[in-house]
Amino acid sequence: EVQLVESGGGLVKPGGSLRLSCAASGFSFSNAWMSWVRQAPGKGLEWVGLIYSKTDSGTTDYAAPVKGRFTISRDDSKNTLYLQMNSLKTEDSAVYYCILTSWYAQAYWGQGTLVTVSS
Amino acid sequence: EIVLTQSPGTLSLSPGERATLSCRASQSVSSTYLAWYQQKPGQAPRLLIYGASSRATGIPDRFSGSGSGTDFTLTISRLEPEDFAVYYCQQYGSSPPTFTFGPGTKVDIK
Repeated sequence: EVQLVESGGGLVKPGGSLRLSCAASGFSFSNAWMSWVRQAPGKGLEWVGLIYSKTDSGTTDYAAPVKGRFTISRDDSKNTLYLQMNSLKTEDSAVYYCILTSWYAQAYWGQGTLVTVSS
Repeated sequence: EIVLTQSPGTLSLSPGERATLSCRASQSVSSTYLAWYQQKPGQAPRLLIYGASSRATGIPDRFSGSGSGTDFTLTISRLEPEDFAVYYCQQYGSSPPTFTFGPGTKVDIK
């Protein structure tokens, strides 16, 4: 069974940093494309970024609003995905979901972790 | 950048009725790259359909997807009580690589 468990959310001041983690199990993590999607309270879904498997380059792609501020990385030895968020803005406040991306879709979702950016 | 528009914004129906949800893209989208999701309050979204018409694992056959080019449809043949939720479409664009979600359609009980 695919399991994705996010952690690391919390309250941070504007301009601050936060690192989210996602522990993965139940599938071949090293061969998986992994994404982050966020959802502001009461709003729709917004894709944040994607990291490819190392066999598919291991590179990353980001949505325009977070490019240059957020960094996705992975530790395949620990089956863990990360999202480093710097220079946080109030508009970054959202539930952040860790996702196994497959068939060009977000196939399996974690339960999400809440990030609140506020002074 | 491709923009997805979903209609209607809200669909009020009774259990047992048929639901037809529309997703329109601002430019042509490969069917391979079109997906649909269901989200219930307080829960993470769930993948229903990928590749425009393929049901994800465990999805009942009352859910079906169709369409091509710029117009895609999610159909729920007979609404069950657990189907009242928000539905999102999503497309993958390869240049540059991005995923884009539509604004969602809420299906609520009439």
